[in-house]
Amino acid sequence: RKEVEQDPGPFNVPEGATVAFNCTYSNSASQSFFWYRQDCRKEPKLLMSVYSSGNEDGRFTAQLNRASQYISLLIRDSKLSDSATYLCVVNRGNFNKFYFGSGTKLNVKP
Amino acid sequence: GAVVSQHPSRVICKSGTSVKIECRSLDFQATTMFWYRQFPKQSLMLMATSNEGSKATYEQGVEKDKFLINHASLTLSTLTVTSAHPEDSSFYICSAPGTKRPYNEQFFGPGTRLTVL
Repeated sequence: RKEVEQDPGPFNVPEGATVAFNCTYSNSASQSFFWYRQDCRKEPKLLMSVYSSGNEDGRFTAQLNRASQYISLLIRDSKLSDSATYLCVVNRGNFNKFYFGSGTKLNVKP
Repeated sequence: GAVVSQHPSRVICKSGTSVKIECRSLDFQATTMFWYRQFPKQSLMLMATSNEGSKATYEQGVEKDKFLINHASLTLSTLTVTSAHPEDSSFYICSAPGTKRPYNEQFFGPGTRLTVL
């Protein structure tokens, strides 16, 4: 079983739409959780950390459910510039090793 | 934020040659760096953890004799792909953990695209 699983998409949405991505992780010892964004042929960039209480950053809201080992990302009012692949990332805390999901591709269309 | 650089950004080589990729932390020290590989349309896969002044630790299934890692200073780690073959063609990315709270953010280099002919 993969460490982190995501729906690969693609999600094709119009500008202004709300879109949600989900992710599950297999190791209950995982300690830190993140969403990264990766543009084509570029390195990943941190979008936001995910906290148990849920957290919001502008149009982006992240949720964590430790009991279900489930992480979500909600994007409101999608912009063309949101088109990218969104990576769910889990850190078990041991030496900061990161485990990446395969990514969910988002295409925002005019 | 912290900056990590990689060199070269792109390399094309013949099968059988060795290729060295450098990863540098520009404005902070990194006792640990990580090397990832990403094949097209796939996720980043952690290859190894590079430890300054000691041997790298490799993930299961990664050949340590093929992917040589040297972390000779607090700002430089190198990955050498020895006797490269076409199946080694991939996007190689390094990262280093940040030095500020919460200490678990990773800063990624821009990646090196390797093509082995």
